[in-house]
Amino acid sequence: GENVEQHPSTLSVQEGDSAVIKCTYSDSASNYFPWYKQELGKGPQLIIDIRSNVGEKKDQRIAVTLNKTAKHFSLHITETQPEDSAVYFCAASIRTNAGKSTFGDGTTLTVKP
Amino acid sequence: ETGVTQSPTHLIKTRGQQVTLRCSSQSGHNTVSWYQQALGQGPQFIFQYYREEENGRGNFPPRFSGLQFPNYSSELNVNALELDDSALYLCASSFGPGGSYNEQFFGPGTRLTVL
Repeated sequence: GENVEQHPSTLSVQEGDSAVIKCTYSDSASNYFPWYKQELGKGPQLIIDIRSNVGEKKDQRIAVTLNKTAKHFSLHITETQPEDSAVYFCAASIRTNAGKSTFGDGTTLTVKP
Repeated sequence: ETGVTQSPTHLIKTRGQQVTLRCSSQSGHNTVSWYQQALGQGPQFIFQYYREEENGRGNFPPRFSGLQFPNYSSELNVNALELDDSALYLCASSFGPGGSYNEQFFGPGTRLTVL
C-alpha cells in the first residue's frame, strides 16, 4: 500500500519568513496530493492540492510543487503570519477517490510574532 | 450549505465496551470516509461508504464496522474496545469515487477515550 513520509515534524519560523514542508510517497499510482491544515479542536481543512499532471500550483502565499520522478512534493508558505500556526498534513491518493487518502504524520508549524 | 457534522464531540468508554459514532455528510455528498487519528499522528483510513455499500477498507480489524443510510449519513461502530482505540475519529464526505478529483471535507471529529 501507499506510504507517505513527512518532514520536518516541527517547524518554528519568525513572522514574515518562509516555511517549507516536504513529503515523499511510495505508490506510483497516486496522482492526487492534497495538503491540509488542522487547528486545535478541528478537523483537517484542505488548503491546496496538486494533480500529477502539474508540477507547481500557487494560491496567494501558498504554493505546492510535485516531482513525480522522485515521488516527492512540498508545501511552501511565504510571508508567514501567526495565524498560519497549525498542524499541516500532506496526503496522497488516486485522483478519483480522495476519500481513501494516505496521510503523513504532520508538521507542527509555529510562527513567532 | 451544511458542513460535515459529527456526534458526540467527546466520549469516554471502558475496555470491552462498544461505541457508535455518527456523521452527517455535507449536502450533496454521497460518500463518507472514516479515519482514526491517534495523538501526534496523521489520520489513518478506516473505511469508506459509497451509496450505502462499503467501498474499501484500511488495515483495521473487523470489530470496526460501519453503516451508511439512505440520506448518506453514516455510523462507525467499534466493538470490544481496547486502550489503543483512544483517538480522534474523523469523518469526511465527498461526492463519490469515479468522478474527477473529488475533494473530501472533514468534520470536527469525535474524541474517544478508552479507560
